[in-house]
Amino acid sequence: GQNIDQPTEMTATEGAIVQINCTYQTSGFNGLFWYQQHAGEAPTFLSYNVLDGLEEKGRFSSFLSRSKGYSYLLLKELQMKDSASYLCAVGPPFSGGYNKLIFGAGTRLAVHP
Amino acid sequence: DTAVSQTPKYLVTQMGNDKSIKCEQNLGHDTMYWYKQDSKKFLKIMFSYNNKELIINETVPNRFSPKSPDKAHLNLHINSLELGDSAVYFCASSQQGQGIHYGYTFGSGTRLTVV
Repeated sequence: GQNIDQPTEMTATEGAIVQINCTYQTSGFNGLFWYQQHAGEAPTFLSYNVLDGLEEKGRFSSFLSRSKGYSYLLLKELQMKDSASYLCAVGPPFSGGYNKLIFGAGTRLAVHP
Repeated sequence: DTAVSQTPKYLVTQMGNDKSIKCEQNLGHDTMYWYKQDSKKFLKIMFSYNNKELIINETVPNRFSPKSPDKAHLNLHINSLELGDSAVYFCASSQQGQGIHYGYTFGSGTRLTVV
């Protein structure tokens, strides 16, 4: 089976740091993605982890532990524009070599002054 | 230039009608997808095509029929629309690669409201 869990909602203060967790149980694993989705817009790519460890990209970092089925997205120096939903998505092993992604329900982050 | 474009952006229609949503990508990707995002914001895959060939067909009512005239286009036709079909439908495309997952580029979505 496939299951991806993330908190439904989080709030944080402008300038602070927030960590959004994601746990997954999938029949096989081939990479984990984080996407950002502003209200009424399309999801946009933030990060990709396939090996254990931390990937840093500016104010955003993503961590993966494959043995624990766990990832987090770390957002630093929060800005009001970071208010959005953050979607965790897992790529199961290839089915005929194709990139099927399975998404979690998303975490709605509200940043306030 | 929009990478993945969907039309229409909004679609309001009555129950029982038939409607189509169109999607085009200019990224040169081989694979295209349709995802449905319901009111709880859960993105769920419906279909995927690779080079015009259907490769993923999740448990979707057969009222939904995708069509891919070429690898740059993937359309979605829905027959006999029902209230529960109301959702945002996202088209996406990706490259393919052995041993590597490439992420998706999403279209801007089509908000379908069935009344």
